[in-house]
Amino acid sequence: EVQLLESGGGLVQPGGSLRLSCAASGFTFSSYAMNWVRQAPGKGLEWVSAISGGGGSTYYADSVKGRFTISRDTSKNTLYLQMNSLRAEDTAVYYCAKTPFPNVGAAHFDYWGQGTLVTVSS
Amino acid sequence: QSALTQPPSASGSPGQSVTISCTGTSSDVGGYNYVSWYQQHPGKAPKLMIYEVSKRPSGVPDRFSGSKSGNTASLTVSGLQAEDDADYYCSSYAGSNNYVFGTGTKVTVL
Repeated sequence: EVQLLESGGGLVQPGGSLRLSCAASGFTFSSYAMNWVRQAPGKGLEWVSAISGGGGSTYYADSVKGRFTISRDTSKNTLYLQMNSLRAEDTAVYYCAKTPFPNVGAAHFDYWGQGTLVTVSS
Repeated sequence: QSALTQPPSASGSPGQSVTISCTGTSSDVGGYNYVSWYQQHPGKAPKLMIYEVSKRPSGVPDRFSGSKSGNTASLTVSGLQAEDDADYYCSSYAGSNNYVFGTGTKVTVL
């Protein structure tokens, strides 16, 4: 059974940093691209970032480019999102989501974690 | 990248059908057959219901169906049941390894 478990969320001041983790199990982690998708309170979904199965290719939404870094550790079956220079508008539940192919590209999100809440406020 | 446009709400009585639209542009919905739909209950993670416009993952009831015409995709839920009461989001591949989601539709089963 595919399982994705996010952690690392919390309250951080504007300008601060936070690292999110997503522990994966139930599938061969290195064989699939992974994503981060966020949802601001009471709002819709927004794709944030993606990384290929091998980790060699990464992509970002314009809203986070230059501030967030996605990475993965195959030995730990864990996906990460390093978030720097955080802003109030980054406040959201952050979900990790798996895609059914090794490369980022035309695809969908077949499994999702339960999410972790990040609150950026002074 | 602008969000895809969905109606804020839709409703129907048990047993009836409801159709949700998802309008984009030729750079996303109209340009690729990679439209997917997600169901989200309050406080829960989204769940994949339809992918590649009209394909259903294993375990999703055949009451859910998808289609696309031009820059607009649609999700139809037939034979509405109480458990279908949820938010629904469309998503499309938007080229250059980017994805865009819809604004979301709240489906109410009356």
